[in-house]
Amino acid sequence: KNEVEQSPQNLTAQEGEFITINCSYSVGISALHWLQQHPGGGIVSLFMLSSGKKKHGRLIATINIQEKHSSLHITASHPRDSAVYICAVRVGNTPLVFGKGTRLSVIA
Amino acid sequence: DAGVIQSPRHEVTEMGQEVTLRCKPISGHDYLFWYRQTMMRGLELLIYFNNNVPIDDSGMPEDRFSAKMPNASFSTLKIQPSEPRDSAVYFCASNALGLNYGYTFGSGTRLTVV
Repeated sequence: KNEVEQSPQNLTAQEGEFITINCSYSVGISALHWLQQHPGGGIVSLFMLSSGKKKHGRLIATINIQEKHSSLHITASHPRDSAVYICAVRVGNTPLVFGKGTRLSVIA
Repeated sequence: DAGVIQSPRHEVTEMGQEVTLRCKPISGHDYLFWYRQTMMRGLELLIYFNNNVPIDDSGMPEDRFSAKMPNASFSTLKIQPSEPRDSAVYFCASNALGLNYGYTFGSGTRLTVV
């Protein structure tokens, strides 16, 4: 069974700080997703990656397949980045397995 | 595009009552997923459909839960009888390209069973 662990569980940052959220998983995967859940509850897909790095605006996602680890970085953080960030992985052709999420609060 | 539409947004019901949650996927999406989110367990897959056919229902917690997809534009998740431990947020998601691609989530239904 694939376990997905995220760290930290909770994170508070000052506006402008560089933020890193980590995700580790226990078995080989075919893809990893990062999702953002807003305080109102809506879930948005941010990235899907299987190798290397992807960038979208101030968000950067990296994955190291050998180490079974991914990171989500936020540069120049802003209060509107406050949300729960969820890592999810897929093994072969099975549906996603989700981590419990990291709750980020960015304070002005 | 209105996105994935779920109803109701909030549902409060008494233990033992039947609850029906509804989902309208994005037109043209042929995969539909039902998830449950709790503080303790995070997001869990309950069941998913491909072309209206249930593919994997191993996440459905017990016989009190059932899901149907009578056509490409509508799905229901039913709990009968409901119990307080069923209280959670239930999300529906859909996509058009299969399991290896990102999903579009609905806004969720917050269910409270008292």
